[in-house]
Amino acid sequence: AQSVTQPDIHITVSEGASLELRCNYSYGATPYLFWYVQSPGQGLQLLLKYFSGDTLVQGIKGFEAEFKRSQSSFNLRKPSVHWSDAAEYFCAAGSNFGNEKLTFGTGTRLTIIP
Amino acid sequence: ETGVTQTPRHLVMGMTNKKSLKCEQHLGHNAMYWYKQSAKKPLELMFVYNFKEQTENNSVPSRFSPECPNSSHLFLHLHTLQPEDSALYLCASSQGQGTSGGINYEQYFGPGTRLTVT
Repeated sequence: AQSVTQPDIHITVSEGASLELRCNYSYGATPYLFWYVQSPGQGLQLLLKYFSGDTLVQGIKGFEAEFKRSQSSFNLRKPSVHWSDAAEYFCAAGSNFGNEKLTFGTGTRLTIIP
Repeated sequence: ETGVTQTPRHLVMGMTNKKSLKCEQHLGHNAMYWYKQSAKKPLELMFVYNFKEQTENNSVPSRFSPECPNSSHLFLHLHTLQPEDSALYLCASSQGQGTSGGINYEQYFGPGTRLTVT
């Protein structure tokens, strides 16, 4: 069955420190991959996506993610976090075969400390 | 208005009430989705509409009744809900799928309706 795993439920980093959020997927073929961010009381905002081509993708707000087929991973990174990055982050995967829907991970809550 | 809008943003209803959630997308998309987001649970897909046709009903109880009158509007009609139905209900839209099936493009989400069932 298709699945998306975010192993870290909660991560705390200092402002200005680097960040990496992990995402692993289990799909029959290379899926489309997405990272979304959700601020408290808000909907999900698309940060970046990977469809094909360059395995390092750039997104909004200074985020990037790298697709690694050998590790079935799509980790999100940011070199220097800002207090406004505190939010919940969701990794999602979908397929271009037929009628498949997105599968979301359970999310990683990011806390930023001064 | 831009993007995906949802009304109301907050709703408190009793178990015997009937209410509706509304979603509108201003992106020219053809697919729309309802999700349920409960605390400490993954996002749950409820319904998918593609070109106004329902293409997914993820075993949702009949007390939730979706309606999609056109590609821009999506409703979720609620009746005789249970306290465990309290959650954030998110609407999303995407470019959608062609008549021969196809690609699930990235989804754009509304801000959600925070529903409390008392």
